[in-house]
Amino acid sequence: DAKTTQPTSMDCAEGRAANLPCNHSTISGNEYVYWYRQIHSQGPQYIIHGLKNNETNEMASLIITEDRKSSTLILPHATLRDTAVYYCIVRDSGAGSYQLTFGKGTKLSVIP
Amino acid sequence: DAEITQSPRHKITETGRQVTLACHQTWNHNNMFWYRQDLGHGLRLIHYSYGVHDTNKGEVSDGYSVSRSNTEDLPLTLESAASSQTSVYFCASSRSSYEQYFGPGTRLTVT
Repeated sequence: DAKTTQPTSMDCAEGRAANLPCNHSTISGNEYVYWYRQIHSQGPQYIIHGLKNNETNEMASLIITEDRKSSTLILPHATLRDTAVYYCIVRDSGAGSYQLTFGKGTKLSVIP
Repeated sequence: DAEITQSPRHKITETGRQVTLACHQTWNHNNMFWYRQDLGHGLRLIHYSYGVHDTNKGEVSDGYSVSRSNTEDLPLTLESAASSQTSVYFCASSRSSYEQYFGPGTRLTVT
């Protein structure tokens, strides 16, 4: 699985959009980009995933660059409850490839 | 509602004792996973299972074992607990190769 690089920490004002970047320059054609988050002391929570097209769900939007070497997770209106560590994970979703490899992630602090 | 539970939520044990952490899911997911989380290391995969009677070693499997006798449960056993196994343990399950659903975690302290 390709390696990802994320900033260690970020701040965002409450009510503003939070844009969390992830670099995955060695991503291969079969690999998806996944985002999870972990609120303090809780288990990680799945947010969104994508292959090459931009994706949106009720929690967030995922923007993947055309060359797929980087992506951005967007929380459109951050709230205090979005304060968490956000993990960007790149993984092949082929058969027999269900494991997740977590890095250190980005600690997002939403400021009142 | 379907869910994934872990028990106990907190456990203190002594070095050398055998400890079993329970994980139970009601989604009927075939895939189940155990991770540990330590400061400075993020989450690391211990063992995983893709179905009944299937088990596989993850990145940090030494000192741990699992067995899968039914779809709902994947207990994690520490054969002889060591202080290095003090950690927070998370169980997860998934239906497909996409999202995994995590339990609330078990905080284990080995004294």
